[in-house]
Amino acid sequence: AQTVTQSQPEMSVQEAETVTLSCTYDTSENNYYLFWYKQPPSRQMILVIRQEAYKQQNATENRFSVNFQKAAKSFSLKISDSQLGDTAMYFCAFMKQPTSGTYKYIFGTGTRLKVLA
Amino acid sequence: DAGVIQSPRHEVTEMGQEVTLRCKPISGHDYLFWYRQTMMRGLELLIYFNNNVPIDDSGMPEDRFSAKMPNASFSTLKIQPSEPRDSAVYFCASSLPRGGYTFGSGTRLTVV
Repeated sequence: AQTVTQSQPEMSVQEAETVTLSCTYDTSENNYYLFWYKQPPSRQMILVIRQEAYKQQNATENRFSVNFQKAAKSFSLKISDSQLGDTAMYFCAFMKQPTSGTYKYIFGTGTRLKVLA
Repeated sequence: DAGVIQSPRHEVTEMGQEVTLRCKPISGHDYLFWYRQTMMRGLELLIYFNNNVPIDDSGMPEDRFSAKMPNASFSTLKIQPSEPRDSAVYFCASSLPRGGYTFGSGTRLTVV
């Protein structure tokens, strides 16, 4: 069975600084997808970034980028130039290739990030 | 597109009452998911549908929970009878194949 581990329950960062959130996963699959979701106090779950395992290039979305290490089964999220609006809970999620017959996320337990003014 | 629409946003009910949560997915999305979020257990998948057909309901906690998707634009999650331990935020999400989920804003259920 797949598992997703986020080992940092809470983190804080000064505004404008850079922070990295960790995520590791365990799977025997070769093809899969990885995601980072943000949940601000409004509780809305917002997709931040996604990565396909077959792509070696790390995904980026503006100030958000990932460091995907397939062999190490690691998928960390880097937030550059942190802003107060980045304060949120961040969830890492894993999904097997849909052709496997399943199409559901496995979520980590989340990292609560606080950006300090 | 208005996104995934859930109603109600908040629900407070007494133990033993029936509760119905509603979801309208994004038009054209053929997958629909129901998740439950609690502090203790995090995000748990309850059930998901593909083209209105339930595919995996292994996360439905017990017979008190049921979910339906009568058409491509509407789904319900029903709890009957409700219990205090059902208190949680319930999310609906929809997706295209290989796409990331789009979540609704959730329903916070409190059973007293």
